[in-house]
Amino acid sequence: NAGVMQNPRHLVRRRGQEARLRCSPMKGHSHVYWYRQLPEEGLKFMVYLQKENIIDESGMPKERFSAEFPKEGPSILRIQQVVRGDSAAYFCASSPGQGVAYEQYFGPGTRLTVT
Amino acid sequence: GDSVTQMEGPVTLSEEACLTINCTYTATGYPSLFWYVQYPGEGLQLLLKATKADDKGSNKGFEATYRKETTSFHLEKGSVQVSDSAVYFCALKPGKLIFGQGTTLQVKP
Repeated sequence: NAGVMQNPRHLVRRRGQEARLRCSPMKGHSHVYWYRQLPEEGLKFMVYLQKENIIDESGMPKERFSAEFPKEGPSILRIQQVVRGDSAAYFCASSPGQGVAYEQYFGPGTRLTVT
Repeated sequence: GDSVTQMEGPVTLSEEACLTINCTYTATGYPSLFWYVQYPGEGLQLLLKATKADDKGSNKGFEATYRKETTSFHLEKGSVQVSDSAVYFCALKPGKLIFGQGTTLQVKP
């Protein structure tokens, strides 16, 4: 059973460009979480999705950021018109269910650098 | 809101020394508690967890006990190795994970 897959592992974008980060959850997992790790900081929750639904986006910046988890295919985190402050490591995690009893499994992360 | 506070690092130890990384939390309800480890350039790996008060999580020589009375989940290891050098994150889970700021551990030979 393959783990959580994220691609690309490293992404370089110029200011004003768009960044698209992909996350394929573990087989059988329908819950996906995105977290952001800024340099020298801990991870901060961004958004929680189930297939075709955004359940909790309380950690998402109000502008330029969006996420989706379509019925088919990976979850996508999209950042429009990137700025230098978006440079960070973005991790996704997947889980087979919701609630405290279900463990989240993390992908290797995408490290975004904005030049 | 719910939050996690970890002791600040970096923590530098000699091989075979004892390790304690303090973690305290604030939460409503009954969260699960976790320790994750992050090696350089990699994602997070679950190290251990505890789902209710007085539970002890353990893995690879690391232990932590869920103390509801002191709202703590301190990470301990009796004898660290160079290979334990990493960043350690304490987290609680009422649903989404809420992380502490991380503690860098460096173990010298």
